[in-house]
Amino acid sequence: EVQLVESGGGLVQPGRSLKLSCAASGFTFSNYGMAWVRQTPTKGLEWVASISTGGGNTYYRDSVKGRFTISRDNAKNTQYLQMDSLRSEDTATYYCARLDNSGNYFDYWGQGVMVTVSS
Amino acid sequence: DIRMTQSPASLSASLGETVNIECLASEDIYSDLAWYQQKPGKSPQLLIYNANSLQNGVPSRFSGSGSGTQYSLKINSLQSEDVATYFCQQYNKYTFGAGTKLELK
Repeated sequence: EVQLVESGGGLVQPGRSLKLSCAASGFTFSNYGMAWVRQTPTKGLEWVASISTGGGNTYYRDSVKGRFTISRDNAKNTQYLQMDSLRSEDTATYYCARLDNSGNYFDYWGQGVMVTVSS
Repeated sequence: DIRMTQSPASLSASLGETVNIECLASEDIYSDLAWYQQKPGKSPQLLIYNANSLQNGVPSRFSGSGSGTQYSLKINSLQSEDVATYFCQQYNKYTFGAGTKLELK
């Protein structure tokens, strides 16, 4: 059974940093691209970042470029999202998601972790 | 960027009824479309990919169709467990629709 378990969320002040982790199990982690997707009541679902199987290629939505860094450790079956210079508009539930083999859609999702950016 | 417009934003239907949810792309997306179901308090789950392919394990009462800029998700014989919010997602930059909240009448 595919499982994705996020951790690392919480309350953080604007301008500070937070690192999310996603532990994967139930599939060969190194064979799949991975992604982070966030959700708010006002903006809905937004793709945040994605990473290729080996980690050599990373992609970001414009609003987080230069502030967020996605990475993965295939030996630990874990992906990460380092979030720096956080803003109030980054407040959201963040989901870890597995990309399908073609990298087009998200075939499995974690349970989500809440990130609140507030002073 | 391609914009995805979902309709209706919400709908109420009776058990056993057939439900249709629409997704309109701002330009031709060549069937590069997925549909997700999100039950209250849960994460989204993939229902349909490539506009009309049913994900493994998804009940056959769910189906997808469409081409070009217009796509739809159809739920036959609505069940109580189908109460959820449904989202479309096009593949380019992974843009999502705003969602359709489905409730029981």
